[in-house]
Amino acid sequence: DVKVTQSSRYLVKRTGEKVFLECVQDMDHENMFWYRQDPGLGLRLIYFSYDVKMKEKGDIPEGYSVSREKKERFSLILESASTNQTSMYLCASSRGWSGNTIYFGEGSWLTVV
Amino acid sequence: QKEVEQDPGPLSVPEGAIVSLNCTYSNSAFQYFMWYRQYSRKGPELLMYTYSSGNKEDGRFTAQVDKSSKYISLFIRDSQPSDSATYLCAITIQGAQKLVFGQGTRLTINP
Repeated sequence: DVKVTQSSRYLVKRTGEKVFLECVQDMDHENMFWYRQDPGLGLRLIYFSYDVKMKEKGDIPEGYSVSREKKERFSLILESASTNQTSMYLCASSRGWSGNTIYFGEGSWLTVV
Repeated sequence: QKEVEQDPGPLSVPEGAIVSLNCTYSNSAFQYFMWYRQYSRKGPELLMYTYSSGNKEDGRFTAQVDKSSKYISLFIRDSQPSDSATYLCAITIQGAQKLVFGQGTRLTINP
């Protein structure tokens, strides 16, 4: 089975802190994604990566950055966390183009106080 | 106009009812259509995947695509309390790396 693992399920951080959300996939997928999910707004794409060291902005990249140094790992970074970044963050991966199945992790619940 | 529109609900039906979940989309170039199911505090998982217009059935679930109307549906027959979840439609085009998701419909099946 494909596994996308998000190392932190629940985090509470203070405003202004730097936050790292880590994601690892075990299926050698080229593509990896970070979404945030908020009530009434659905899934919104923050960043995605189609290869090591490659990244592209999604729909809401402001306030976030990403890192992909190895194929299996994709990190989301909040340089200076703010309360409006309180949300559920979902990592996903897929092989090739998006017509192939995209697999999601369990999600990371981030609260910024 | 959003690329994909989905009524967020919530939708509450009694056990055993037939459930109809729907999405509309605006771009006729979209070719691939998916439904994801997301249980509370979990990540979405793929439920159904269709390419062409018409129906695709998998057990109690039927996915329907009407490209002429730009309308996709998911039907659940003999609904069970375990079907209670948020259902998200997702669409894409050939060669694209990203999916476009609907808002998700929160469904509750009452015993």
